[in-house]
Amino acid sequence: GQNIDQPTEMTATEGAIVQINCTYQTSGFNGLFWYQQHAGEAPTFLSYNVLDGLEEKGRFSSFLSRSKGYSYLLLKELQMKDSASYLCAVRDSNYQLIWGAGTKLIIKP
Amino acid sequence: EAGVAQSPRYKIIEKRQSVAFWCNPISGHATLYWYQQILGQGPKLLIQFQNNGVVDDSQLPKDRFSAERLKGVDSTLKIQPAKLEDSAVYLCASSLGVAGGLSQRDTQYFGPGTRLTVL
Repeated sequence: GQNIDQPTEMTATEGAIVQINCTYQTSGFNGLFWYQQHAGEAPTFLSYNVLDGLEEKGRFSSFLSRSKGYSYLLLKELQMKDSASYLCAVRDSNYQLIWGAGTKLIIKP
Repeated sequence: EAGVAQSPRYKIIEKRQSVAFWCNPISGHATLYWYQQILGQGPKLLIQFQNNGVVDDSQLPKDRFSAERLKGVDSTLKIQPAKLEDSAVYLCASSLGVAGGLSQRDTQYFGPGTRLTVL
């Protein structure tokens, strides 16, 4: 079967750095997405990786290793507004998105 | 550019009643998705349309759920009759898609969702 694993919950301090990991086992691979979802709101697109390596976008970076079936989302200079769930999703060989359950990130002052 | 629109935002019904949700995708987006998201879980794809044709409805409970996308733009999702376990947020998303195939990225953009409570 297809599976996406992420930690259920993480806690970090305002101003710090946090890394949210995602491991996947899917039928084929056609890209990995990270979405942010604030409580009661819809997911919003953060990043896309299809090749190995690091993609940097402001305070957020996303890394992919296809051989290891592994990705992480790195958030720097954490702000209170970064408190949200972070969803990892992989596009499989049928171009369907397989979603993880999300990681709830709690930021403390 | 306007985002994905959904209505209603909230709906409370009793079990065995019917309910319908509406979605208007981003202009020019060929692909439309309906997802069900239960609290604490990732979105679960119910149905995917490419223009007005169904691409994937393998996880749609067809005995009670139906969806249509007439004219390849707006879409409605209906539940009839509703069960307690249908309580969830129903998300609509759209993506550009490409006629005859998908661009490699084809990012999905989500509407605000409809929170359904079945009592």
